[in-house]
Amino acid sequence: GQNIDQPTEMTATEGAIVQINCTYQTSGFNGLFWYQQHAGEAPTFLSYNVLDGLEEKGRFSSFLSRSKGYSYLLLKELQMKDSASYLCAVREGWDEKLTFGTGTRLTIIP
Amino acid sequence: DSGVTQTPKHLITATGQRVTLRCSPRSGDLSVYWYQQSLDQGLQFLIQYYNGEERAKGNILERFSAQQFPDLHSELNLSSLELGDSALYFCASSVDEGSTYEQYFGPGTRLTVT
Repeated sequence: GQNIDQPTEMTATEGAIVQINCTYQTSGFNGLFWYQQHAGEAPTFLSYNVLDGLEEKGRFSSFLSRSKGYSYLLLKELQMKDSASYLCAVREGWDEKLTFGTGTRLTIIP
Repeated sequence: DSGVTQTPKHLITATGQRVTLRCSPRSGDLSVYWYQQSLDQGLQFLIQYYNGEERAKGNILERFSAQQFPDLHSELNLSSLELGDSALYFCASSVDEGSTYEQYFGPGTRLTVT
């Protein structure tokens, strides 16, 4: 089984940088995903990490440390539209199902 | 728009009833996943089908069942509905090639059981 932890809520200022952490415990780790979900809408894919290190994609970056069971999502130059929930999900073994954390609700203030 | 379609968008029904949710994956995607999202439990994986065959099962109740048809669309059947089944039900699809694929989510069906 898996245990995934993320902060429940965070607040950040428009134009600033925010880091959302995710820790997990699993056997047979086979990838970590970050999704963005606006209230009442479908989750949309942001990033994927399977090896240690940083993956950068525009304003969003994701980092993984497999030995520490730790990932973070870094959002730069925050915009009001970044207000959403950010879901960390882990894939275990060769089973393609994802186990999601409960998500971090991020609120951007002017 | 992810390319995944789900119908209906909203569904209101009474306890004890049975409903069917429908999902059409993106063109070319062979895998379909069903998830339940309720306010207190986040996104929970229910079941996965790949090219018509059940591939993985999560926390799916015995009252729930699913299938994937030859045209790759999928249906999730929920029976003997209870108030606690009220939730958003998402379908996702993926190409299922290699290990870097991502899942594309449909807009969801909001089920309200009264």
